Amino acid sequence: DIQMTQSPSSLSASVGDRVTITCRASQSISSYLNWYQQKPGKAPKLLIYAASSLQSGVPSRFSGSGSGTDFTLTISSLQPEDFATYYCQQSYSTRSAFGGGTKVEIK
Amino acid sequence: EVQLVESGGGLVKPGGSLRLSCAASGFTFSNAWMSWVRQAPGKGLEWVGRIKSKTDGGTTDYAAPVKGRFTISRDDSKNTLYLQMNSLKTEDTAVYYCTTEIEGADAFDIWGQGTMVTVSS
Repeated sequence: DIQMTQSPSSLSASVGDRVTITCRASQSISSYLNWYQQKPGKAPKLLIYAASSLQSGVPSRFSGSGSGTDFTLTISSLQPEDFATYYCQQSYSTRSAFGGGTKVEIK
Repeated sequence: EVQLVESGGGLVKPGGSLRLSCAASGFTFSNAWMSWVRQAPGKGLEWVGRIKSKTDGGTTDYAAPVKGRFTISRDDSKNTLYLQMNSLKTEDTAVYYCTTEIEGADAFDIWGQGTMVTVSS
């Protein structure tokens, strides 16, 4: 099965900071990589699909890049509502998998 | 309004069984590939399994930790997804979400609110 590894597992940042989260797949997954945001007690929300396509309604400060095994989620200017946990997910193989998550906290 | 609503969670003893349901509305359920994702307390998301639409074969796939114990099924006449969980273990304790993709993006764009399953003696 394909394993997904996210880094860092947590980070502290200030409002207005540029934040980058990385996700690595254990084998090539082409561009079948999605990013989700989850806030405490809530279901995950899709942010980015197919590595770099912005889901409808998601602010343009969120962007994704990468292909093959290495991917990045970038928040260009962190806003108060962006403090949450972020997960990557591969949809390349029959058995999907999520990364371990990155918790973005207030500095 | 597109909606998924899970039900059936609760407290069960190790070795016991439980069936979760997920009622869908606002989209063509029979065409959707439906999945279950779980989240243990304080932990990350874990994909549990998926069932394809009947037109795509209706086949199922499962994560290794639940294969042989969990069964996903669907009743398209009731717009409902099921997760039958047998031989439950304490490590199955989690919030269980049903989810699907309706915009053809190979990503989970619709999620339910989740239902809590606690396996404890």
